[in-house]
Formats: sequence, structure tokens, C-alpha cells
Amino acid sequence: EDQVTQSPEALRLQEGESSSLNCSYTVSGLRGLFWYRQDPGKGPEFLFTLYSAGEEKEKERLKATLTKKESFLHITAPKPEDSATYLCAVQVYGQNFVFGPGTRLSVLP
Amino acid sequence: GAGVSQSPSNKVTEKGKDVELRCDPISGHTALYWYRQRLGQGLEFLIYFQGNSAPDKSGLPSDRFSAERTGESVSTLTIQRTQQEDSAVYLCASSLVQGQETQYFGPGTRLLVL
Repeated sequence: EDQVTQSPEALRLQEGESSSLNCSYTVSGLRGLFWYRQDPGKGPEFLFTLYSAGEEKEKERLKATLTKKESFLHITAPKPEDSATYLCAVQVYGQNFVFGPGTRLSVLP
Repeated sequence: GAGVSQSPSNKVTEKGKDVELRCDPISGHTALYWYRQRLGQGLEFLIYFQGNSAPDKSGLPSDRFSAERTGESVSTLTIQRTQQEDSAVYLCASSLVQGQETQYFGPGTRLLVL
């Protein structure tokens, strides 16, 4: 069964304290791995897509990386506005998207 | 419109009643997805449409759930004889074509079944 897990479940950081979020997956055939940001009361907002091991993408303070078993979302010098739930999803060939439970990030000023 | 819209934004209903949730995708987007998100949990895939056909209905939890789409436009998700476990946020997303990387999500409909 295709499965996506995320850790930690929740993370509290001080402003400027860099860290990483993990997304681990067990799928039959990966078509793509997606990162989304979700603010309370809103729908998820697309951040990145990664397709192959070794690929990296960056956007402002965020960088996503991919290996054959997991992906990391690195947050460098976070600000309070980075507080949100970060969702990871995988798309499997011939299937739709399987989402992880998310990591709730709080960045304290 | 500028983005995906959903209505109503909130719905409170009594157990056993039917509800209808509406999604307006981004104009020109051929693929449309419905997800369910229970409190504190990730997204659970329900169904997707390519045009007005639904190749994959495997995520629908029971036969009380159904969905339809008119052409490449509005979709409705209907839940019959609602149960308390149906309480959740129902999210709709659209993309230019099925499987295209960027799914654009609506704000969701928050359903509470009393």
C-alpha cells in the first residue's frame, strides 16, 4: 500500500533558527513528490514538485530535496510568517495523490 | 475567476440530511479533484474528474457519496443521509490537465453534522 509519513508532527522554532521537515514515502512507482503549505482555514498552496532522486528546488527561505525514500524541506532563518502546516504528497504512476498528515510549524518572534 | 471557489464555506446539518457541496474550478482547467480533510489530519483523496468523466472513484468512502461535473466546469459533491463521521473540510482542487504538477486548491467547505 502506498504510504506517506511526515515528521515531526509539530515543530516550534525561534525566528532565525533553521531546521528541516521530513517526508518519508513507500510507493510502488513515484511520479512526483509535492510540497504544499496550508494556513489555518485555507486550502493548500503549492510550493514545489520534485521528480527524481538528487533533485533540489529553492524558493526564498525554503529548499526541498529528494532521495529514493524521503524528501526534506529545509527552512533557513525562518520568520513568523513561515508558520503553517506543511504537507507532503506523492503521485504514483497511474494513481492520484497520496498526502501525508503534515507538519505544523510555529516560528516564534 | 482568479482561483478555485467553493460554496458554501460552512455547512451545519442534521444527521440523516443530504448536503450538496459546490466547486468552481479555474477556467480552462480540465482536471478537478475532491479531497476530505478531517481535523488535524492530511488530505484524503475522494474522486477526480478529467473533463466530465470520473476515471477514478476509488476514494469515495461509501455509496452515500457521489459527485458529478458539468463539462469542464462546476462540480458538485453530494453526501446523502449524512453521518457525524462525515464532518470534515471538503477541499476541491483543479489543474490544467490530469497529473499536471500544480493543483490549485479552493478554500474548502467546512461540514459539521450534528
